[in-house]
Amino acid sequence: EIVLTQSPGTLSLSPGERATLSCRASQSVTNGYLAWYHQIPGQAPRLLIYGASSRATGIPDRFSGTGSGTDFTLTISRLEPEDFAVYYCQQYGSSPRTFGQGTRVEVK
Amino acid sequence: EVQLVEFGGGLVQPGGSLKLSCAASGFTFSGSNFHWVRQASGKGLEWVGRIRSKAFSYATEYAASVKGRFTFSRDDSKNTAYLQMNSLKTEDTAVYYCTTTLGASDYWGQGTLVTVSS
Repeated sequence: EIVLTQSPGTLSLSPGERATLSCRASQSVTNGYLAWYHQIPGQAPRLLIYGASSRATGIPDRFSGTGSGTDFTLTISRLEPEDFAVYYCQQYGSSPRTFGQGTRVEVK
Repeated sequence: EVQLVEFGGGLVQPGGSLKLSCAASGFTFSGSNFHWVRQASGKGLEWVGRIRSKAFSYATEYAASVKGRFTFSRDDSKNTAYLQMNSLKTEDTAVYYCTTTLGASDYWGQGTLVTVSS
């Protein structure tokens, strides 16, 4: 199975700052089928990005995804208060689908 | 409005069984695939598996950790997906979510807590 490793584990930033999150796969992700999710504690995850770079419906353009092969990045251009949460990447190009361990974005 | 509601969670002893339901509304259930994802308290997300639509012969896939113990099914006439869990282990304790993707959106239920403990 494909192992996804996210870094850093925790990102401490202030509102308005830029956040850069990394997701590295143990082998190439088929067709760039890589998604990013955002989860606030106590709530269900929410899809942000699919296909490595396409924003899901209703997701603001401060969220952007890039990457291919084994290296992917989620960038939040200017952090809003509601963006402080945990972010997960998931590959869905190979079975079993797998998630990364998550990156927590916290208020500095 | 698209809605997924899971129910059926609870406390069960190791080795026991439990059946979760995921009731859907607001979209064409029969044409959709459904995934199950779980999350142990304070931990990350784990994909449990999926069941596809009738068009794909209701094909199922399971994570290695649950294969042979968990079974997905669905009743398109009731707009409900199911997760039958047998031979439960303490490590199966988690919130279980059902989720589906419609176009460029995904939808999740609120989750249902399964606790496996003696």
